[in-house]
Amino acid sequence: ETGVTQSPTHLIKTRGQQVTLRCSSQSGHNTVSWYQQALGQGPQFIFQYYREEENGRGNFPPRFSGLQFPNYSSELNVNALELDDSALYLCASSFGQTSYEQYFGPGTRLTVT
Amino acid sequence: AQSVAQPEDQVNVAEGNPLTVKCTYSVSGNPYLFWYVQYPNRGLQFLLKYITGDNLVKGSYGFEAEFNKSQTSFHLKKPSALVSDSALYFCAVRVGTDKLIFGTGTRLQVFP
Repeated sequence: ETGVTQSPTHLIKTRGQQVTLRCSSQSGHNTVSWYQQALGQGPQFIFQYYREEENGRGNFPPRFSGLQFPNYSSELNVNALELDDSALYLCASSFGQTSYEQYFGPGTRLTVT
Repeated sequence: AQSVAQPEDQVNVAEGNPLTVKCTYSVSGNPYLFWYVQYPNRGLQFLLKYITGDNLVKGSYGFEAEFNKSQTSFHLKKPSALVSDSALYFCAVRVGTDKLIFGTGTRLQVFP
């Protein structure tokens, strides 16, 4: 088990609502990356935060936004939820901007109805 | 475009037999390659990585992977499969300094 934790474990929301997912990184790690894993697919990179600044972003619309806090924990916010946002959201932590290893949390399963 | 392909949706193998899970990549520059495993209702667990050096990389739980530059492949292998190895396996390549690009995954089923 990694030291990366995510909350909540499961979440059900209605289309159009907003959701916030949380991630606590492994001790000593200052970089957090977020991925979306749709059913039957590999994870897709959403964005990465390094020392509280966005360090890179994948092909996701602006309604996906994030924050990283001084303790390096992170939030993923999704506005105006769509049915296609239903997925497993994975958080991964690492040390530094160019770390070769990312340690993943167990994920948050989001269902949008 | 940089990408990773896992050509097999599922691999079936008998316990005790060797296993191979295939991965090919397409990247510009030197590839940084990874294998992760995902058990049901769990996140991804890191198995091994290739950055540079020996083409045969050893990782966790007895897994190894062979980097082949001419064939742009990075196949995952294990000499003797266990039933507990049954899981979903993802190959990934790092792009730039920030993101991993994952394949679509291969489900490994090890039969007793």
